[in-house]
Formats: sequence, structure tokens, C-alpha cells
Amino acid sequence: EAQVTQNPRYLITVTGKKLTVTCSQNMNHEYMSWYRQDPGLGLRQIYYSMNVEVTDKGDVPEGYKVSRKEKRNFPLILESPSPNQTSLYFCASSPNRGYGPYEQYFGPGTRLTVT
Amino acid sequence: AQTVTQSQPEMSVQEAETVTLSCTYDTSENNYYLFWYKQPPSRQMILVIRQEAYKQQNATENRFSVNFQKAAKSFSLKISDSQLGDTAMYFCAFMNPPGNTPLVFGKGTRLSVIA
Repeated sequence: EAQVTQNPRYLITVTGKKLTVTCSQNMNHEYMSWYRQDPGLGLRQIYYSMNVEVTDKGDVPEGYKVSRKEKRNFPLILESPSPNQTSLYFCASSPNRGYGPYEQYFGPGTRLTVT
Repeated sequence: AQTVTQSQPEMSVQEAETVTLSCTYDTSENNYYLFWYKQPPSRQMILVIRQEAYKQQNATENRFSVNFQKAAKSFSLKISDSQLGDTAMYFCAFMNPPGNTPLVFGKGTRLSVIA
């Protein structure tokens, strides 16, 4: 089954404790992206990657890191989480083999709470 | 920068009735893509419908259709014969070409379908 998976689905952590949210897709997609969703703000892009070893900042990158060492994986790293990073996080992927618009496939979301 | 505005934070509709969700956007580009995503209580992001700006014909997917007014920069979603399963958050989103530039989302409209 074609899908984007995220782990963990739920995470409660404390301020300053490094964490990683994994994202993996099995569709051989070039493009991957991370969004955060906050009430009243919609979804905002954190980082995206056009292909392996190619990443770029989105609208709200502060406090986050990403890496794209393999095509299928795109982990989101919070080196020192803070309470304002409490949010619902989505990973998404899509093909990037020419002119779009390609549908972005979303993972199931990760609910992160930082206390 | 592109912006997407959804002016209706919440709406409700009776089962089997028709409802229209509004979306306006701001861009200086001539060619771009527009999407409506649905987010049910499961939080999964589901693509409902997409529209390419160079196509004059309005997109239709079963009970879902759009009214795309390029000059007015308006992209409304019409849901006909509303069903209880249509209860969800609906997000309008904008994408510049080529292909996989970031999706810019509106803040969402919460739709409740009432039996």
C-alpha cells in the first residue's frame, strides 16, 4: 500500500530534550516536506526537500532541523524543544518529475506536546 | 508572498443540502495551482479537488465542484447533497509552478453537517 508513515504518532516531552520524528514514504517520491498545524493558523511549512541531500527552509524553520540522506526518509529533528513547538506535525511527499500539479500525500500526523 | 484567505471559520449545513466554502488568494503569478483538502476528525489530510489556473473549466469530483474566478482570485468549493461524512475541516491551498513548490494553506473552515 502506497503511504507516508510517521513515528511516533503521539509524543509528550520536556523542554530541551532532543527528539526526532521520523517520516518514511514507499512511493519513490522525490519531494518531501514537513508542516505544522496550529489552531487558527492552518498548516505552515517548516522544511522541504526536492531530492536526496537537497533541503530548504519553509516559512517557519526556526528550532527545527531536517536531513535527507535517503530518498524514502525525511526525519524532523528538534534539538532543544520548547513549549511553542507544541503542535500537530505532518509529513508529506509527492513526485517531482516535471511540471505539476502533483498531489501531496500526507502522513497521519504526529501530536507533539512540549512541557 | 502568496496568501490564502478563508473568511468563514465555521459553517454548518443540513444533510442533503448544498454548501459553498469561500477562498480567496493573492498572487502576482499567472499560472498556479489551487487545491481543497479535507481533514476529518481522524486528522488525515485528504485531497478533495484541484484546479490548474490555466484551465478555464471548473474542476468537478462527484459531489464536489469549484467556482474558479481567476480575475477575482477566488476559488470556492461547493459540496452538493451534503453527507454526515463531509463533516471536517476544509483547507484551501495554493501552489506556484513548477510542480512542487510549497503549498500555502488558508486557516481552514470547520464544516458541520447536521442530520
